[in-house]
Amino acid sequence: EAGVVQSPRYKIIEKKQPVAFWCNPISGHNTLYWYLQNLGQGPELLIRYENEEAVDDSQLPKDRFSAERLKGVDSTLKIQPAELGDSAVYLCASSPGTAGGAFFGQGTRLTVV
Amino acid sequence: GQQVMQIPQYQHVQEGEDFTTYCNSSTTLSNIQWYKQRPGGHPVFLIQLVKSGEVKKQKRLTFQFGEAKKNSSLHITATQTTDVGTYFCAGFDSWGKFQFGAGTQVVVTP
Repeated sequence: EAGVVQSPRYKIIEKKQPVAFWCNPISGHNTLYWYLQNLGQGPELLIRYENEEAVDDSQLPKDRFSAERLKGVDSTLKIQPAELGDSAVYLCASSPGTAGGAFFGQGTRLTVV
Repeated sequence: GQQVMQIPQYQHVQEGEDFTTYCNSSTTLSNIQWYKQRPGGHPVFLIQLVKSGEVKKQKRLTFQFGEAKKNSSLHITATQTTDVGTYFCAGFDSWGKFQFGAGTQVVVTP
């Protein structure tokens, strides 16, 4: 069974440019998460989806970040415009439901220069 | 808001020794999850505890959920070099907010 797939693995962009990340969760997993992880820190939740509904986006900086999960499967996370402080690893995870453990993708390492 | 704290931040262990890492929450948790992240890798789910006082074992790893459901511990016996990595706890509070701790980074000396 394929795990959570994310692309790209690495992205380098100049500040003020837009960037998008893509995530394909494990088949049948209704819950999808986007996390941000800085070096030496734990993952920080950006947004959680139950199917196509964003049930927790309280920590998503909505002035520049947006996300969507059309049809309740794949998801994209967008940053526009990117700032230097957005450099981090962006992790996508999925789980069968909210109550179970999450399975993480390999992440996208974003560098904003 | 909910705060999930992990101690110690760093743990240097001699191969073969035992150690324990702790996770403490400022609020009651409905469950606690533990993850392991190898250097350069992504978090990997290890286990979930739900009941007050629950204890679960995975080979050399023993996980415990506190009676008040506000703390948890991970105990590793006979540490091996394969145990290197950062161990995170994470939990849901009663409002459905999910938060990770900052992790305990484990370094094993042969």
